Amino acid sequence: GAVVSQHPSRVICKSGTSVKIECRSLDFQATTMFWYRQFPKKSLMLMATSNEGSKATYEQGVEKDKFLINHASLTLSTLTVTSAHPEDSSFYICSATRTGGGNQPQHFGDGTRLSIL
Amino acid sequence: AQTVTQSQPEMSVQEAETVTLSCTYDTSESDYYLFWYKQPPSRQMILVIRQEAYKQQNATENRFSVNFQKAAKSFSLKISDSQLGDAAMYFCAYRRFTQGAQKLVFGQGTRLTINP
Repeated sequence: GAVVSQHPSRVICKSGTSVKIECRSLDFQATTMFWYRQFPKKSLMLMATSNEGSKATYEQGVEKDKFLINHASLTLSTLTVTSAHPEDSSFYICSATRTGGGNQPQHFGDGTRLSIL
Repeated sequence: AQTVTQSQPEMSVQEAETVTLSCTYDTSESDYYLFWYKQPPSRQMILVIRQEAYKQQNATENRFSVNFQKAAKSFSLKISDSQLGDAAMYFCAYRRFTQGAQKLVFGQGTRLTINP
């Protein structure tokens, strides 16, 4: 089956630090990956759509300079939270869609819990 | 824009019994996909079941089945013979039916508790 690996699973750091989260499709190529944010006991909110070889598409209200996305290969997308502050603390989840069209399901990573002190 | 609504923040059911989770959505499109995802305490999103809007037949996956009412824009999930491992957050999601990957629009979620 399709596996998406997300790393790290948990990170705790000081305010002002930049944090990079990786999302890898382990056994398939993913032209498109998605980054979601989930607050406690809430639903997943799409932050941005990451496309291999091009700029990410950000949802309204998401600061692209705050949340930098790089999708340099067909198996890896990274989300960097720049100069993180306590309000950026959240659960971040990525998903990847196998290259091949709109019929392909999304496969989710295990998520990253980010805590900013 | 499409929206998905889950009106039941929490549900509980006795083990071995049947429970139905509700979901309604709003869209102007005629073709689309609908999904139910399960998020256990481990937080990983697991696909439970999927329905293509152009298919009239309700999708079924073992103990999980849906009641898809396209005209009413309703997509409920029925879990039969509930098991303790079914306890989780359940999210209903919508996706457009177009070429290329499309984002999922999630409902607010329903927390399902299974009572032994």
